[in-house]
Amino acid sequence: EPEVTQTPSHQVTQMGQEVILRCVPISNHLYFYWYRQILGQKVEFLVSFYNNEISEKSEIFDDQFSVERPDGSNFTLKIRSTKLEDSAMYFCASRVSGGNTGELFFGEGSRLTVL
Amino acid sequence: DAKTTQPTSMDCAEGRAANLPCNHSTISGNEYVYWYRQIHSQGPQYIIHGLKNNETNEMASLIITEDRKSSTLILPHATLRDTAVYYCIVNSAGRRALTFGSGTRLQVQP
Repeated sequence: EPEVTQTPSHQVTQMGQEVILRCVPISNHLYFYWYRQILGQKVEFLVSFYNNEISEKSEIFDDQFSVERPDGSNFTLKIRSTKLEDSAMYFCASRVSGGNTGELFFGEGSRLTVL
Repeated sequence: DAKTTQPTSMDCAEGRAANLPCNHSTISGNEYVYWYRQIHSQGPQYIIHGLKNNETNEMASLIITEDRKSSTLILPHATLRDTAVYYCIVNSAGRRALTFGSGTRLQVQP
């Protein structure tokens, strides 16, 4: 069964450092998402991406965050200057179409620890 | 998107049906009801979704009331592996991102 894969599974970084989290969505999917979950809290939407541009973003997705689909297969989330409160599990997701016509497939997540 | 209300937690005996309720009294005509679950700290997993008709797949059944103000997810024969947080999400057709609430923590007991 096709799946969304994410790397790294766990990254530890120092505050102020840049971090790039990588995702390989399912190959025929067109809509891509990043969510995060701080330990013990809700799964929070960050950003959605379609046709090589951001289609929707939340208040959390401020200027320190960016997304890119550099090569047609990878979908990356960059955090420019990490803060302690960025420590969370980051989930990538993809779906074949927008609206309500398809399920959202999630990866297993990348755990980010900022020291 | 309409707000949903779910019980914080529920228990179910292994092998019995688990019935997870969700209230969405402010749902509008073009909003779908989605169910996802999250096992431990894994990525959320899609279960089922529907608009107004009842739906069934290999994982579960979704019963939506006629007025669409509430729904019930039914796991017909719960196993220990069904222990998870279950999220009921209402999403409008024009919005691509799903918003997760706190969900119901289902504990399946041996």
